Amino acid sequence: GEEVAQTPKHLVRGEGQKAKLYCAPIKGHSYVFWYQQVLKNEFKFLISFQNENVFDETGMPKERFSAKCLPNSPCSLEIQATKLEDSAVYFCASSQRMFGATNEKLFFGSGTQLSVL
Amino acid sequence: AQKVTQAQTEISVVEKEDVTLDCVYETRDTTYYLFWYKQPPSGELVFLIRRNSFDEQNEISGRYSWNFQKSTSSFNFTITASQVVDSAVYFCALSPSIQGAQKLVFGQGTRLTINP
Repeated sequence: GEEVAQTPKHLVRGEGQKAKLYCAPIKGHSYVFWYQQVLKNEFKFLISFQNENVFDETGMPKERFSAKCLPNSPCSLEIQATKLEDSAVYFCASSQRMFGATNEKLFFGSGTQLSVL
Repeated sequence: AQKVTQAQTEISVVEKEDVTLDCVYETRDTTYYLFWYKQPPSGELVFLIRRNSFDEQNEISGRYSWNFQKSTSSFNFTITASQVVDSAVYFCALSPSIQGAQKLVFGQGTRLTINP
């Protein structure tokens, strides 16, 4: 597709429930990124993939967060046993190449608003 | 360590005024990339510009212009003759060199309100 597609747009979970977010990168893009935006301002990098391989997971909380990018499937971000502080907008982004390539940039999806009650 | 500081949390101006959004960054990398993104009230992130550290040319795109000053580690964004549709949160971001993870480090954002 021509845009990064994130589903669902909104997700409401009770504390302790599982949440699963999906992202379809732009066709032909090799890199996928997940960011968490809390309080409408602060962006936190979570994880990136190069195709189906984890590229950088330095931002991922180890205990409850996991992510995958499998061939021929949307990428996913899963949160086990959600907590109140997981409430945020989760953005997925993709890029075709690394930033060293001329004019490369991240294309962002519209985000998934996760509310943990 | 990489860091981006947008000291202006909120700016409010009247339509047609010029406004400058400040961005100061910190990095030890000699090669890096700077970006500005716009987040309108609808919530999506819209790419505005990318600047490479080795290219200090300033850029103008319509009413938007960017001033990259490597000596002061700043990458400021100016909107000329602002319009109500410019109201949004603007984020400056830095990506480290190719040996970095290619991730973006964002500033805290500046909420810009253009009043009619």
